[in-house]
Amino acid sequence: AQTVTQSQPEMSVQEAETVTLSCTYDTSENNYYLFWYKQPPSRQMILVIRQEAYKQQNATENRFSVNFQKAAKSFSLKISDSQLGDTAMYFCAFMKSPSPGKLTFGQGTILTVHP
Amino acid sequence: GAGVSQSPSNKVTEKGKDVELRCDPISGHTALYWYRQRLGQGLEFLIYFQGNSAPDKSGLPSDRFSAERTGESVSTLTIQRTQQEDSAVYLCASSKPGSGAFFGQGTRLTVV
Repeated sequence: AQTVTQSQPEMSVQEAETVTLSCTYDTSENNYYLFWYKQPPSRQMILVIRQEAYKQQNATENRFSVNFQKAAKSFSLKISDSQLGDTAMYFCAFMKSPSPGKLTFGQGTILTVHP
Repeated sequence: GAGVSQSPSNKVTEKGKDVELRCDPISGHTALYWYRQRLGQGLEFLIYFQGNSAPDKSGLPSDRFSAERTGESVSTLTIQRTQQEDSAVYLCASSKPGSGAFFGQGTRLTVV
């Protein structure tokens, strides 16, 4: 079975600064997908970024980028130029291949961006 | 619609009553997921449907919980004889090959 661990229950950052959220996972699979989701107070889950395990290049979406270390089974999210609207709970998730497969989530990290 | 639709948005029920929650996935999405989220907590996996395969029911917490899906269309999650600990937001998501999962707004269930 796959497990996803987010070891930071809460994080805070000043507006315009950079913050990194950590995620590790455990799997015996070689092919899989990793995701970061954002859940603001509205409770809508929003897909932020995705990474395919067979791709070595780290995914980037505007101010969001990941550091994917397959051997270490690590998948961190970096948010640059943090904005007040980034305040939310962030979840790391693992999906077995072939897609779409079962989706397993970490416990979440609450990120607060301070003005 | 373009997104995953869940109904009702909110449901208040008396302890011991049965409830049915509905999820309309994005058209063409072969996979459908149900999760439970208690206040301030993470997502607890309940059940996963993928095409015509047998569903993965490993997350259902008790035999009071069941779910069905008609082909690659609507899914209903049924909770029988509701208990106060069933109070939570129930989230549905759908996915297709090569994409991540897209979520509905959830149903907030309150058992009084």
